[in-house]
Amino acid sequence: DVKVTQSSRYLVKRTGEKVFLECVQDMDHENMFWYRQDPGLGLRLIYFSYDVKMKEKGDIPEGYSVSREKKERFSLILESASTNQTSMYLCASGGASGKETQYFGPGTRLLVL
Amino acid sequence: EDQVTQSPEALRLQEGESSSLNCSYTVSGLRGLFWYRQDPGKGPEFLFTLYSAGEEKEKERLKATLTKKESFLHITAPKPEDSATYLCAVQTSSGTYKYIFGTGTRLKVLA
Repeated sequence: DVKVTQSSRYLVKRTGEKVFLECVQDMDHENMFWYRQDPGLGLRLIYFSYDVKMKEKGDIPEGYSVSREKKERFSLILESASTNQTSMYLCASGGASGKETQYFGPGTRLLVL
Repeated sequence: EDQVTQSPEALRLQEGESSSLNCSYTVSGLRGLFWYRQDPGKGPEFLFTLYSAGEEKEKERLKATLTKKESFLHITAPKPEDSATYLCAVQTSSGTYKYIFGTGTRLKVLA
């Protein structure tokens, strides 16, 4: 059974804090993705990784960085959290065939005060 | 510009009242179209993948169809537990793994 897990379901952080969100998949997928979801805006891609240590910017990478040291693990880092980064963060993984379905984790709801 | 539009934004149905959700797309080339269900506060749950016009997929009360310009998610005799937001996403043939998501249809099925 497909399994994508995220380290936290809810997080509350202060402005300026460094925030780590972690995602783990057990499907041996090459591709992993970080999205944020906001009402009325849908899902927007922040970063994705197509291999270990490889990454590409998505549509809204500003204020974020990522790390992929192992195939199964993809981390999203907010270097200095700001209130406009309050959102639902979703991780997904998918295979590398070019026609692969993305499978999502349960999401992390982040509140930055 | 590649674009995915879902309609309606919201839909209320009585239990047993069949209907369809629409996902229209304008892309340079279609690699795949994906339907997801999302419950409040949770991640999207995969439903179907469609790759070419004329293709259909079914699962319980749901049936997804695809043409060259749009996809429909048909819901037959819905139940209250079908209430959720249904998301459509398109993967283009532009050479990346990126999806373009629609903003979803919020479905409420009343008992």
